[in-house]
Amino acid sequence: QVKLLQSGAALVKPGDSVKMSCKASGYTFTDYIIHWVKQSHGKSLEWIGYINPYSGGTNYNEKFKSKATLTVDKSSSTAYMEFSRLTSEDSAIYYCASSTGYFDFWGPGTMVTVSS
Amino acid sequence: DIVLTQSPVLAVSLGQRATISCRASQSVSISSINLMHWYQQKPGQQPKLLIYRASNLASGIPARFSGSGSGTDFTLTIDPVQADDIAAYYCQQSRESPLTFGSGTKLEIK
Repeated sequence: QVKLLQSGAALVKPGDSVKMSCKASGYTFTDYIIHWVKQSHGKSLEWIGYINPYSGGTNYNEKFKSKATLTVDKSSSTAYMEFSRLTSEDSAIYYCASSTGYFDFWGPGTMVTVSS
Repeated sequence: DIVLTQSPVLAVSLGQRATISCRASQSVSISSINLMHWYQQKPGQQPKLLIYRASNLASGIPARFSGSGSGTDFTLTIDPVQADDIAAYYCQQSRESPLTFGSGTKLEIK
């Protein structure tokens, strides 16, 4: 069955960057787009952007365009998101999700805490 | 951006029907395709797809969940409500970028 395994929680300092991973299994990695979604504590969901593992093409929410960089490694069926110049506003859970047009399957999330 | 509006809380008795609404700031339909989807999120868990394209039940989802609507007004119905349905429910549109979610409706038991 489809599984998305995300990297563990991260504690980072303001101004630093963090790179998190999303390893896919149970399907052909290049068949489905991978989206990334942010959920701040107790709040709703925000779409960050997506990457097409087949072509490497990306589409970002303008709000996160200067903040997030999406990449993939097809050889390991893994998607990555790097978040830069972190502030306290970036403390959140970040989910990856595979998509056929909606968010079919979700990873368990990576919690990022930004604190000095 | 397309704004999706949901009521924050809905309290329903076990065994009764729950109707959760989502209103979009502009149409999310193209021809007869309604690009609105619903997710369930239980505390401490990731969201799970319930309904796609307004009325299609996702794989493995019980038939007590159903969806309807078109244009700007959509509804998720749970009938009958069970204790396991306590969660937050989010609508999401894929009509245009950026993809957006509603603020969520928390289902509570009376």
